[in-house]
Amino acid sequence: NAGVTQTPKFQVLKTGQSMTLQCAQDMNHEYMSWYRQDPGMGLRLIHYSVGAGITDQGEVPNGYNVSRSTTEDFPLRLLSAAPSQTSVYFCASSSGLLNTGELFFGEGSRLTVL
Amino acid sequence: EDKVVQSPLSLVVHEGDTVTLNCSYEVTNFRSLLWYKQEKKAPTFLFMLTSSGIEKKSGRLSSILDKKELFSILNITATQTGDSAVYLCLGSGNTGKLIFGQGTTLQVKP
Repeated sequence: NAGVTQTPKFQVLKTGQSMTLQCAQDMNHEYMSWYRQDPGMGLRLIHYSVGAGITDQGEVPNGYNVSRSTTEDFPLRLLSAAPSQTSVYFCASSSGLLNTGELFFGEGSRLTVL
Repeated sequence: EDKVVQSPLSLVVHEGDTVTLNCSYEVTNFRSLLWYKQEKKAPTFLFMLTSSGIEKKSGRLSSILDKKELFSILNITATQTGDSAVYLCLGSGNTGKLIFGQGTTLQVKP
């Protein structure tokens, strides 16, 4: 009964390093998305996908890349990490553009960029 | 540009008080508005609202949507310390672009 699994839970990077945050869901959800959460700013949408092979930008896409080669996986790539990307990242999925009423979240990944 | 604005940003009450949290939205091709509660970790789902004037209720929590005035409220009656959390409002259009508000931080004191 895994739901949405994010890894790693914690990561420290140096400026300029690259990394990938992994997100996998086992609920056969079409919709997947990535958010970052900073103090006082709620959750801001980075990228989202409405199905395998389809991705689109959210509010704050700069500095991040995504791909959706399978229904299950939606990795988020930081190509050259910057201190401004220090944040908590959440992956979330849903069946069919929220028509079931619920966005399922992963546990979050805390990223620190020095 | 789509946006969701919550108010107040923070609120301190005492146990037993009733609170009302507000959420206004401007979302292209609006589909639904959702409320979430976030404690230490990931947000947990509370309500989804799609139709005006129909109250959704769960225990001491209730919520309603006004699609004409583009806002929603979340009411919590007889608050308890366990209600202390950040409450998030989420606007959904039919494009998949989901917009969260900044959140309201509620602290309930004993």
